[in-house]
Amino acid sequence: QVQLVQSGAEVRKPGASVRVSCKASGFTFTRYYMHWLRQAPGQGLEWMGIINPRGDSTSYAQKFQDRVTMTRDTSTSTVYMEVSSLRSEDTAVYYCARDGAVGALDWYFDLWGRGTLVTVSS
Amino acid sequence: SYELILPPSVSVAPGQTARITCGGNDIGSKSVHWYQQKPGRAPVLVVYDDSDRPSGIPERFSGSNSGNTATLTISRVEAGDEAEYNCQVWDDTDEHPVFGGGTKLTVV
Repeated sequence: QVQLVQSGAEVRKPGASVRVSCKASGFTFTRYYMHWLRQAPGQGLEWMGIINPRGDSTSYAQKFQDRVTMTRDTSTSTVYMEVSSLRSEDTAVYYCARDGAVGALDWYFDLWGRGTLVTVSS
Repeated sequence: SYELILPPSVSVAPGQTARITCGGNDIGSKSVHWYQQKPGRAPVLVVYDDSDRPSGIPERFSGSNSGNTATLTISRVEAGDEAEYNCQVWDDTDEHPVFGGGTKLTVV
């Protein structure tokens, strides 16, 4: 079954870090770019960054440049995203998503994980 | 950054046709992608590259794009189509994907 399975909900205090995982199955993981996006409560979708199929290149949205790190483990078909220096405004559902192109980059999202709620609260 | 404008809500009766617009400056020169999102669920791609449908998406979903407006058309609307719909494009200026604010489709 083609799917992306994300890790469970997390609660962190301001200033802490969180790592969210996303395990792929049912497709050739090493042929796809993977994205992370988030959606704050009542807000729209926001793209955070991308990691290439080999996991040796990333690109982040400017507002996340200093606080987000994306990695991938091809042996387990898993991508990870870590957000550091968390603040209350980072409370959101975080999604991993597959790029729509095979072996290339098309900048749309054809397969999504179910989302991971990260709550930042003191 | 590039702005995408959608109506906050659209209402349609079952069996009728719903049209959801996505406005943007010269959006006709961009590739537009559409997503359906139901409460508490992840978005689902319903149209990509203006008018292509992913496998598994009913033919009732179609898209068009010209000038300053892209349109998602849902024919023979069903109760299960009730959801938020959103458009997405590539922002050439900030060099990242951007989404609109979404439209709530209500089937009345």
